[in-house]
Amino acid sequence: SQWGEENLQALSIQEGEDVTMNCSYKTYTTVVHWYRQDSGRGPALIILIRSNEREKRSGRLRATLDTSSQSSSLSITAAQCEDTAVYFCATTGGYKVVFGSGTRLLVSP
Amino acid sequence: EAAVTQSPRNKVAVTGGKVTLSCNQTNNHNNMYWYRQDTGHGLRLIHYSYGAGSTEKGDIPDGYKASRPSQENFSLILELATPSQTSVYFCASGDDGTGGSGNTLYFGEGSRLIVV
Repeated sequence: SQWGEENLQALSIQEGEDVTMNCSYKTYTTVVHWYRQDSGRGPALIILIRSNEREKRSGRLRATLDTSSQSSSLSITAAQCEDTAVYFCATTGGYKVVFGSGTRLLVSP
Repeated sequence: EAAVTQSPRNKVAVTGGKVTLSCNQTNNHNNMYWYRQDTGHGLRLIHYSYGAGSTEKGDIPDGYKASRPSQENFSLILELATPSQTSVYFCASGDDGTGGSGNTLYFGEGSRLIVV
């Protein structure tokens, strides 16, 4: 899982496989955002899940949220090479937005 | 058309020198943020602002100052740059989370700073 000062985690899979990335957060939040960062670019939002949602889907993406354990996951179904990127979760406390340490996903043909 | 623009995109500075990183947003967002990202690590919050004239310390503010003179502009200032501040810096604007969507951030392309 990812959070805070920890080093970027790395996952390497083959095209067509499913993959899940986990995130544990420390403070209360009403929304968990998942961002994707392509090489040399700034992060961009790909999916968000609210505290009243246990699961959220968007295309091949699926996010889950467990407020009791303060954890969230992002799954990608049938990963493609273009899914290669770094993925971050982020939580909001007031105006402050804090990111997890991220997962570097490499999808090979 | 880029909504968050950072300048400079690349900068080499000398130790002890002053560095100013600038950020301009056209999203009309109240909130703006500065993060740094080191190789192999995530994004760490340096300073943020919830409106013109406001600046707040993030998680790693030491050695950095911020300035928000207007809704559109947010600067990060390194008064005495050190080699440990070599990093990639990202600016973002945030949409206040209208509709219960939380505070979604929109990032610039980053400013790569090397302090020698």
